[in-house]
Amino acid sequence: GENVEQHPSTLSVQEGDSAVIKCTYSDSASNYFPWYKQELGKRPQLIIDIRSNVGEKKDQRIAVTLNKTAKHFSLHITETQPEDSAVYFCAGSGFGNEKLTFGTGTRLTIIP
Amino acid sequence: GAVVSQHPSRVICKSGTSVKIECRSLDFQATTMFWYRQFPKQSLMLMATSNEGSKATYEQGVEKDKFLINHASLTLSTLTVTSAHPEDSSFYICSAPRQGAREQYFGPGTRLTVT
Repeated sequence: GENVEQHPSTLSVQEGDSAVIKCTYSDSASNYFPWYKQELGKRPQLIIDIRSNVGEKKDQRIAVTLNKTAKHFSLHITETQPEDSAVYFCAGSGFGNEKLTFGTGTRLTIIP
Repeated sequence: GAVVSQHPSRVICKSGTSVKIECRSLDFQATTMFWYRQFPKQSLMLMATSNEGSKATYEQGVEKDKFLINHASLTLSTLTVTSAHPEDSSFYICSAPRQGAREQYFGPGTRLTVT
């Protein structure tokens, strides 16, 4: 089955700087990669996703890049703000299979 | 966006009793729903896939007789934790994708504490 690894496990960034979180996946058939933000005690919220036919996707301060050959994808947050502090999870799923395999999570702390 | 609700949000039960958790898609139909368990400071672990009109599919290591899943309609799936033990205490979250879409929408979660 799919295995998703995520790094780093914790990340502290000065407010205004950029944050990058990286994930690798094992199943070359995976073709959908969402990123979720989870605040303490709350539900994961989808912040951006990318499909395997695209190399990059951007939504305001958030962008995701995908390298299918290397089987890794990354989340980029620019101009970070205190409200970006949360745990971020990457995930992957394959064609015709809606099951998501989650990474281990990254605790992002924005330092004011 | 799509809305998924869960009930109850918190439940405390005694060891040996059973607890039922409901997951509803409020504004869309979901033939498939997913149940996850999340321990403190850990990731979401998929427990099972709930299929409307057929049996649930359980992930390896998840006891199907302990975690009973019923997908009663296109908008409701229930998870019953039977004979609960303290080690079952966790945050249980469901999710559902819209039909034909890849995006999954999560419920708010249910925090189960078994005493």
